[in-house]
Amino acid sequence: NAGVTQTPKFRILKIGQSMTLQCTQDMNHNYMYWYRQDPGMGLKLIYYSVGAGITDKGEVPNGYNVSRSTTEDFPLRLELAAPSQTSVYFCASSYHSGTGNGYTFGSGTRLTVV
Amino acid sequence: AQRVTQPEKLLSVFKGAPVELKCNYSYSGSPELFWYVQYSRQRLQLLLRHISRESIKGFTADLNKGETSFHLKKPFAQEEDSAMYYCAPEPSGNTGKLIFGQGTTLQVKP
Repeated sequence: NAGVTQTPKFRILKIGQSMTLQCTQDMNHNYMYWYRQDPGMGLKLIYYSVGAGITDKGEVPNGYNVSRSTTEDFPLRLELAAPSQTSVYFCASSYHSGTGNGYTFGSGTRLTVV
Repeated sequence: AQRVTQPEKLLSVFKGAPVELKCNYSYSGSPELFWYVQYSRQRLQLLLRHISRESIKGFTADLNKGETSFHLKKPFAQEEDSAMYYCAPEPSGNTGKLIFGQGTTLQVKP
């Protein structure tokens, strides 16, 4: 049981480049999330999805895009990388509310934009 | 919206001292609350949940509806408890939107 898998673990991008951060879960969770974590700061919600085909903006969506074509996958796209997007990105998933099971997080992607 | 507040960004204690990490929530109803922990350079992991009333690694948390709080406590801190701690509610059944508090860094000094 892999849980939530994020790839890549590390990446260095040049300003203006684009990339996709991959997130896959094998627990049949319907809720999925993308967060960024900056040094000394908490988690900021970028985008989230309550099921396949449904996505919505979080607190800091500018500069990012997502899609949810399947229950398992929730990729995060950076189109024109900027230094302000240097951060650690975490993907998470959960069942619907009421189960008391909480969320499962991926191991993170450390992104540096230079 | 379901929101939680962690008023302390950093909490520094000596080994063996009691620890209390504060969490307040600002919505009504019967909240389902969790504490998550993130050790250095690791993923977040669930520490404990309100519904199970469990004690994990010596930590406990009691939901106080009168004070709208869910503080995390441990009577004797250990150096290995040094980490970042997040309080969070369960996703709303309507939107699934999950907003974390800013987190509290616990530093346990030898």
